[in-house]
Amino acid sequence: DVKVTQSSRYLVKRTGEKVFLECVQDMDHENMFWYRQDPGLGLRLIYFSYDVKMKEKGDIPEGYSVSREKKERFSLILESASTNQTSMYLCAISTGESRDTIYFGEGSWLTVV
Amino acid sequence: EDQVTQSPEALRLQEGESSSLNCSYTVSGLRGLFWYRQDPGKGPEFLFTLYSAGEEKEKERLKATLTKKESFLHITAPKPEDSATYLCAVQAGFGNTDKLIFGTGTRLQVFP
Repeated sequence: DVKVTQSSRYLVKRTGEKVFLECVQDMDHENMFWYRQDPGLGLRLIYFSYDVKMKEKGDIPEGYSVSREKKERFSLILESASTNQTSMYLCAISTGESRDTIYFGEGSWLTVV
Repeated sequence: EDQVTQSPEALRLQEGESSSLNCSYTVSGLRGLFWYRQDPGKGPEFLFTLYSAGEEKEKERLKATLTKKESFLHITAPKPEDSATYLCAVQAGFGNTDKLIFGTGTRLQVFP
């Protein structure tokens, strides 16, 4: 079974704080993604990575950065958290021969106050 | 612009009352259409991938079908444990890109 682990399930941070959200996969999957999910807006892609030290912007990268120093770990960074970044954050990996099946972690609920 | 629209937004069913959820899409170069189930407070759980018009896939009480413009998720004789939000997503474009475009989901409630 594919396992995608998000270490922090619930976080409360203050405006202006730096926030790290970590995602770890247990297999040698190359492709990893960060989405955020908001009511009425669905899931929106923030950043993705095809390999170590590689990153590409998704649809809403503003206010976020990412880090992928090891293949199994993909971190999302909020340099200076703001209240409009309160959301559910989902990490995902793609697998299969055609990398056509995407599996999600359990999600990290971030509240910025 | 690539777009995915799901309907209805919410659906209430009596246990055993079969129905269908709709996912319509406009994308250039469909590579795959995905259905996910999401329980409150959890990440989406993968259900099906469909690749071409006419394709069908089944899992327990769920059956997904695909045409050139839309997909249906048919739920036969649903049970309360089928209550969840069902998400549709498409993978579009060409080249080495796997990103998905999601609809906003259908929230299904099944009452005993």
